Amino acid sequence: NAGVTQTPKFQVLKTGQSMTLQCAQDMNHEYMSWYRQDPGMGLRLIHYSVGAGITDQGEVPNGYNVSRSTTEDFPLRLLSAAPSQTSVYFCASSPGQGRNYGYTFGSGTRLTVV
Amino acid sequence: SQQGEEDPQALSIQEGENATMNCSYKTSINNLQWYRQNSGRGLVHLILIRSNEREKHSGRLRVTLDTSKKSSSLLITASRAADTASYFCATRAGGTSYGKLTFGQGTILTVHP
Repeated sequence: NAGVTQTPKFQVLKTGQSMTLQCAQDMNHEYMSWYRQDPGMGLRLIHYSVGAGITDQGEVPNGYNVSRSTTEDFPLRLLSAAPSQTSVYFCASSPGQGRNYGYTFGSGTRLTVV
Repeated sequence: SQQGEEDPQALSIQEGENATMNCSYKTSINNLQWYRQNSGRGLVHLILIRSNEREKHSGRLRVTLDTSKKSSSLLITASRAADTASYFCATRAGGTSYGKLTFGQGTILTVHP
């Protein structure tokens, strides 16, 4: 089925470990974004991309890296996990042309850092 | 800081009543979007209104946009128990930040059968 696929769905990390959250979409969308959702905070933008090879920082980029080598994939790397990064992470994508399209969201990755 | 502020934070109504949620934002936008999130799930896009539009309808949803006041409202008419969810407004920036979609903190809607 077409859509945004996030893996893993759940992950427990120890403080200081690194890991990559995977995000892939098969809709040929130009725009992709990563958000984190914490209770009472809504969704906060971490990083976003408007096309392969182009990335930019959002509201809360510290501690996270991204790259966009293909249109389909937009992995999020946690460099050295901290308890403050415990959150639910969502990846989303949107057609870029015309800019007046909504985003399609993945089902999320629930990350716990202990 | 987040772009959108939503009001109320929580809304509890009876089935059949209308639900109105408001969103205010701070900077110029290209468009404003509304999303729904059921508990523990991803967000689902509901409706988009462009900065040059004032009102838009989709089924039981009605969205208004007032760019002079930097505010929007989402009206759900004849609500159903299945409408129980969190609702978020999101703004797409204009200019060179067009790739950014920024969310508000959301309104939790509970519709009692």
